[in-house]
Order: sequence, then C-alpha cells, then structure tokens
Amino acid sequence: GENVEQHPSTLSVQEGDSAVIKCTYSDSASNYFPWYKQELGKRPQLIIDIRSNVGEKKDQRIAVTLNKTAKHFSLHITETQPEDSAVYFCAASGNTPLVFGKGTRLSVIA
Amino acid sequence: DAGVTQSPTHLIKTRGQQVTLRCSPKSGHDTVSWYQQALGQGPQFIFQYYEEEERQRGNFPDRFSGHQFPNYSSELNVNALLLGDSALYLCASRATYTGELFFGEGSRLTVL
Repeated sequence: GENVEQHPSTLSVQEGDSAVIKCTYSDSASNYFPWYKQELGKRPQLIIDIRSNVGEKKDQRIAVTLNKTAKHFSLHITETQPEDSAVYFCAASGNTPLVFGKGTRLSVIA
Repeated sequence: DAGVTQSPTHLIKTRGQQVTLRCSPKSGHDTVSWYQQALGQGPQFIFQYYEEEERQRGNFPDRFSGHQFPNYSSELNVNALLLGDSALYLCASRATYTGELFFGEGSRLTVL
C-alpha cells in the first residue's frame, strides 16, 4: 500500500521568512496530493491540493509542487505569519484512501 | 450549510468497555471515512463507507466496526477497548468521485 514520508518533523522560522515541507510517496498510482493544517485541538483543514496532471499550484502565500518522476511533493509558505503556526500534514491517494504523513510542527517566531 | 458534525466531542471509558461514535457528513456528501489520530501522529485510515457498505478498510482489528445509514450518517463502534485506543477519532466526508475530504472536529476518546 501507499506510504508517505514527511520532513522535517519540526520547523521554526522567523516571521516573514519562507517555510518548506517535503513529502515522498511510494505508490505510483497516487494522483491526488492534499495538504492539511491542524491547529491545536482542531480538525485538519485542507489548505491546498494538487493532482498528478499539474506540476505546481499556488494560492496567495501557499504553493505546492509535485514531481511525479521522483514521487515527491512539497509545500511552500512565503512571508510566514504567526498564525501560520500549526501542524501541517501531507497526504496521498489514488486507488487507496488518503494516507497521511506524520506531520510537521511549524512555529513562526515573531 | 453545516459541515461534518461528530458526537460526542469527548468521552472517557475503561478498558474492556464498548464505545459508539457518530458522524453526520457534510450536505451533499455520500462517502464517509473514519480516521484514528493518536497524539503527535497523522490520521490513520480505519474504514470507508459508501451506499451503506464498508468499501475499504485499513489495518485495524475487527474490534473496530461501523455502519452507514440511508441518510449517509455513520457510526464507529469499538469493542473491548484497550488503553491504546485512546485517540482523536475523526470522521471525514466527500462527494462521490471527488478527492477532497472534509473533516469533523473529532471525538476524543480516553481509555483508562
């Protein structure tokens, strides 16, 4: 089955700097790659997603890139703000239900 | 439009007991999935229901069972609770043939 690895597990950045979180997946049949943000005690919320027919997608300060050949995808957050502090999860699915990475705890230091 | 709703939000059980968690999907959604999220971990897929049948199942023992009703709502049942079953149980729904999952706020289960 699908296996998703996520790095780093923790990330601290200064406010205004960029943050990058990377994930790899194992199943070449996976074709949908969402990113979720989970604040403490809250539910995971979809922030951006990408499908395998697209290499990059951007939504304001957030962008996701996908390299199907290398089976990895990344989340980029620019101009980070304190409210970006949360745990971020990548996930992958194709013929299987969504499989999540273990998460990255992002801390934005003001 | 209400999103995914779950009940109860918190509950405490003792080892060996049974628990039932409930979920109402987002309006227009007919597929419901259940995930277990242990502290500090990513959500782990338990099973998925569509048209009142279990369609896919993750690596969870038979103590975990579920049901989907004609109105698309769903229940998760866990029998013979173990300490390791303590977790946040998330329900997620989506419309047929779409990938985007919407999560509920979860039911936090503590087993003592």
